[in-house]
Amino acid sequence: DAGVTQSPTHLIKTRGQHVTLRCSPISGHKSVSWYQQVLGQGPQFIFQYYEKEERGRGNFPDRFSARQFPNYSSELNVNALLLGDSALYLCASSLRPERSPLHFGNGTRLTVT
Amino acid sequence: AQKVTQAQTEISVVEKEDVTLDCVYETRDTTYYLFWYKQPPSGELVFLIRRNSFDEQNEISGRYSWNFQKSTSSFNFTITASQVVDSAVYFCARVGNMLTFGGGTRLMVKP
Repeated sequence: DAGVTQSPTHLIKTRGQHVTLRCSPISGHKSVSWYQQVLGQGPQFIFQYYEKEERGRGNFPDRFSARQFPNYSSELNVNALLLGDSALYLCASSLRPERSPLHFGNGTRLTVT
Repeated sequence: AQKVTQAQTEISVVEKEDVTLDCVYETRDTTYYLFWYKQPPSGELVFLIRRNSFDEQNEISGRYSWNFQKSTSSFNFTITASQVVDSAVYFCARVGNMLTFGGGTRLMVKP
């Protein structure tokens, strides 16, 4: 079975632009979470979705939004990009929120210039 | 904020040495889960272990062992007879209402 897949793997954007990152969970997993990992730091929680509803939101500005589709895949959108948004964006899926081990994708490395 | 603290930012050992990675967490939750993840240079996060707050039994899995002590809010991770392939960044994390990661410990195992 395929693991968590994320696209694209790398992305370069300019300040002020917007970006959409995509994530496909492991088959059968209904919960998807997004994390931002700035170089040299631990991942920071952005969003969690379960059964297409937002279950949690981290301390990120409204420029960050996400959604989950009926097939449980998910998109993370970031508007008005800032240099500080440069990071590795990780998607994780699990059977259920919170209690399951999280299986992570390889991430999307976003560079904002 | 309920933090997860990994005080050791970087550890360097010689192959075959034992090494312990420390993790201390804060929580107001009565039920929570603790995790350890490994992030090799390739970047992916690899799940190692999950422990729930009701289970303080320590666990050994091959060269890995974990020591969970609720009284001190610690969940330490030991690698016995370290190998070069163990070189990675290791993250401790806690799940209550949301998943919180520590800052990570970079482990370098030299031949």
